Amino acid sequence: GESVGLHLPTLSVQEGDNSIINCAYSNSASDYFIWYKQESGKGPQFIIDIRSNMDKRQGQRVTVLLNKTVKHLSLQIAATQPGDSAVYFCAESYSGNTPLVFGKGTRLSVIA
Amino acid sequence: EPEVTQTPSHQVTQMGQEVILRCVPISNHLYFYWYRQILGQKVEFLVSFYNNEISEKSEIFDDQFSVERPDGSNFTLKIRSTKLEDSAMYFCASNNLDLGVAEAFFGQGTRLTVV
Repeated sequence: GESVGLHLPTLSVQEGDNSIINCAYSNSASDYFIWYKQESGKGPQFIIDIRSNMDKRQGQRVTVLLNKTVKHLSLQIAATQPGDSAVYFCAESYSGNTPLVFGKGTRLSVIA
Repeated sequence: EPEVTQTPSHQVTQMGQEVILRCVPISNHLYFYWYRQILGQKVEFLVSFYNNEISEKSEIFDDQFSVERPDGSNFTLKIRSTKLEDSAMYFCASNNLDLGVAEAFFGQGTRLTVV
């Protein structure tokens, strides 16, 4: 079946460094992608989204890159802070109309 | 900032009992969802609901599950006869595709423990 997956289950970075979290997707029909942050005991929190007609989108300290050729999505966090420590999920859907399909998640640990 | 609220935050129930998980979606949202997350695993889609009916459901959402919007604000998930494997975090989410709000906003979740 088609699925969304992640390359790295865990990532440790020094405070102040940049973080890059990767995600591979296999459903070529997906045209809407979201990154969520999940802190322990809480629900997924929206970070940033991107549609397939774009290859880059920037938010506050975060950038999402989409490479449709290789079906790859990444989340870049600039100047990583201890508060960024969480599990990050990518998710995909078709035009936002279909239910989100989540990847397995990457745990980001920020070392002070 | 508007948010999705869920109650209770934690529910413990005996196997075979019925449980109802409650959600209040964001007020101007029209699309509602239930997802679940077994401990340490990824978030899985259960069901979507629009215009007072189920629009899509996953294989997980079998006859033991049902959803209802009993009034203008609440959205509930009922599990008729709970099994041990139903233990998980259950998340409610909402969005409003009609207004171009595609991102789904999630509640804090209900932790269901079946013993």
